[in-house]
Amino acid sequence: KAGVTQTPRYLIKTRGQQVTLSCSPISGHRSVSWYQQTPGQGLQFLFEYFSETQRNKGNFPGRFSGRQFSNSRSEMNVSTLELGDSALYLCASSLGTANEKLFFGSGTQLSVL
Amino acid sequence: AQTVTQSQPEMSVQEAETVTLSCTYDTSESDYYLFWYKQPPSRQMILVIRQEAYKQQNATENRFSVNFQKAAKSFSLKISDSQLGDAAMYFCAYRSSMRYGANSKLTFGKGITLSVRP
Repeated sequence: KAGVTQTPRYLIKTRGQQVTLSCSPISGHRSVSWYQQTPGQGLQFLFEYFSETQRNKGNFPGRFSGRQFSNSRSEMNVSTLELGDSALYLCASSLGTANEKLFFGSGTQLSVL
Repeated sequence: AQTVTQSQPEMSVQEAETVTLSCTYDTSESDYYLFWYKQPPSRQMILVIRQEAYKQQNATENRFSVNFQKAAKSFSLKISDSQLGDAAMYFCAYRSSMRYGANSKLTFGKGITLSVRP
């Protein structure tokens, strides 16, 4: 069974631009969660999507948004990039219907110049 | 809101020795899950071990075991017979039970960098 796939692995953008990150969950998983990892703040929860609906959201500005498609693949979008958005963005997938394990992808490293 | 604290930023252990990584958490919930995740240089978060709060027995997975003290809100990870491949960043994480609401959110500690000396 293929694992969680995140694309691209690395991304370099400049301030003010926007970016879209992609996450393909494990087959059969309906929940996709996104996390931001930085050296200063650690791992912070962004949002979770389940069956195309956002069901939980972290404390991030509206510039951070996401969506989930009918095949459970998810995208995360950050608009008007700031230097502080430079981070590793991780996504995790699970069945989402019980207290089961989360499986993580290898992340997308975003650098904002 | 729940918080997870890992107060040791770095630890070092000799190969084949035993090391214990500490974690404390704060919650008002009675039903929850605790995890230890490993993040090697490849950056992928790998689940090491999981503990259900309603279980009194400490979880074990091969060389990895936990010491779960619910009253003290403490959840430490013991790695026995440390191997070079154990070198990584380790994160303690908390997740609410689904009976508090349907979500898969994890709250992480800041992490600890473990180095293994040959």
